[in-house]
Amino acid sequence: DIVMTQSPDSLAVSLGERATISCKSSQSVLYNSNNRTYLAWYQLKPGQPPKLLIYWASARESGVPDRFSGSGSGTDFTLTISSLQAADVAVYYCQQYYNTPYTFGQGTRLEIK
Amino acid sequence: QVQLQESGPGLVKPSETLSLTCTVSGGSIGYYYWSWIRQPPGKGLEWIAYIYYSGTTKYNPSLKSRVTISDDTSKNQFSLKLTSVTDADTAVYYCARGVGSSGWFDFWGQGTLVTVSS
Repeated sequence: DIVMTQSPDSLAVSLGERATISCKSSQSVLYNSNNRTYLAWYQLKPGQPPKLLIYWASARESGVPDRFSGSGSGTDFTLTISSLQAADVAVYYCQQYYNTPYTFGQGTRLEIK
Repeated sequence: QVQLQESGPGLVKPSETLSLTCTVSGGSIGYYYWSWIRQPPGKGLEWIAYIYYSGTTKYNPSLKSRVTISDDTSKNQFSLKLTSVTDADTAVYYCARGVGSSGWFDFWGQGTLVTVSS
């Protein structure tokens, strides 16, 4: 199985400041034949279904605010929230879909400082 | 807008079978991959299995011996059965739509808490 490791486990950022979450995979999730990176990011809030934010490591899902961005390649990835809003308080997960079993990171809890 | 809704018992006794159904509205279950994913209390997300409307299935090896996923295209539903449950199977169970066999999950159900307890 591909192990996904996120850091930090929790993060407190002031409103309007940048939040950065890292995700590392135990093997590359770049598929060389199509040059696609099989990595997604989700936002989980209590009592709500998980929300897809980013796929292909950097493609923003329709309707997701442009303050959310994804970057990285190979085994190292980053989710950045450029200017933290109160609505962004949540737990964030990365997920690889390069192969099954699909696996998720352990989650990063984002709070307001 | 596609919507998914999980249904099933919220309490299952140890050693019994957990059965859940996901009803899809706002679109057909054809041409997409439909998964079950769970989150034990205080833990992360674990993918369980997927099914494609053609009948293709894939299971997480860690659960494969106990899991069956099936669908009913006439009802636009798919289902999960997990046998011989223990308290380690207590979790919020989500159904989700996968974009392709190697794809992300773009629509999710609200999730349903299933507690294993006598």
